Amino acid sequence: AQSVTQPDIHITVSEGASLELRCNYSYGATPYLFWYVQSPGQGLQLLLKYFSGDTLVQGIKGFEAEFKRSQSSFNLRKPSVHWSDAAEYFCAVGSGSGNTGKLIFGQGTTLQVKP
Amino acid sequence: DTGVSQDPRHKITKRGQNVTFRCDPISEHNRLYWYRQTLGQGPEFLTYFQNEAQLEKSRLLSDRFSAERPKGSFSTLEIQRTEQGDSAMYLCASSPQGAIETDTQYFGPGTRLTVL
Repeated sequence: AQSVTQPDIHITVSEGASLELRCNYSYGATPYLFWYVQSPGQGLQLLLKYFSGDTLVQGIKGFEAEFKRSQSSFNLRKPSVHWSDAAEYFCAVGSGSGNTGKLIFGQGTTLQVKP
Repeated sequence: DTGVSQDPRHKITKRGQNVTFRCDPISEHNRLYWYRQTLGQGPEFLTYFQNEAQLEKSRLLSDRFSAERPKGSFSTLEIQRTEQGDSAMYLCASSPQGAIETDTQYFGPGTRLTVL
C-alpha cells in the first residue's frame, strides 16, 4: 500500500539557517511526489512537484527537493530560512496514473523559525 | 480570485444535526476532491469526482456522508447526524484536465467543522 512518512514532527531552525525536511515514501511504481505548505487555519499551497526527469526540482519561495529512488526519499530543502517560512509542511504521493488521482499525505512537519 | 473556494469557512453545530459544505473548483478543472484533516494529521482522502461522476470513495466516507457534483461544477459534502468525531477541517481540491496536470491538485481554504 502507498504510504508517506515524515520522520520529524517538529523542527526548529534559526532564521537564515538552512533547512531540510525529510520525506520517505512507499509506492510500487514511479511515484508522483509533492510538497505542500499550510499556514495555520489555511488550505494547502503547492510548493513543488516531481513527475519525471531531473531529480532536483525547484519550487516557489526558494524551496527545492531531490528525488532519490534508491532511498525512496523526496527531501525538501531551503538554503536560508525566513521567519515567514514557519508553517506546516506536508509531503504527498499520488498514483500518477490519472485513474485515481488521490494523494496520500504524510503526517506533516511543523517548522518553527527562531529570530 | 480564480482559486478554489469553500463555504462556509467555519461551522459549529450540535451533535446529531446535519451540515452541508460547498466547494467551487477552479474554472474548467474537471476533477474535484474532498479530504478531511484532523488536528496534527495530514489530509486524508474522502472522495473524488471527474466531472459529475463520483469515481472513488474512501472507506472513511461512512453512510452518513454524501457528496454530489450535479453539474460537474461545484460540489457539496453533506454529513448527516453529526458526531463529535466528525470535527475536522474539510478540504476541497481541484485539478485540471491533462495527462500530467491531472495529478496536480489545488486546494481551497477549507471548512472547519466543530461538533459540540
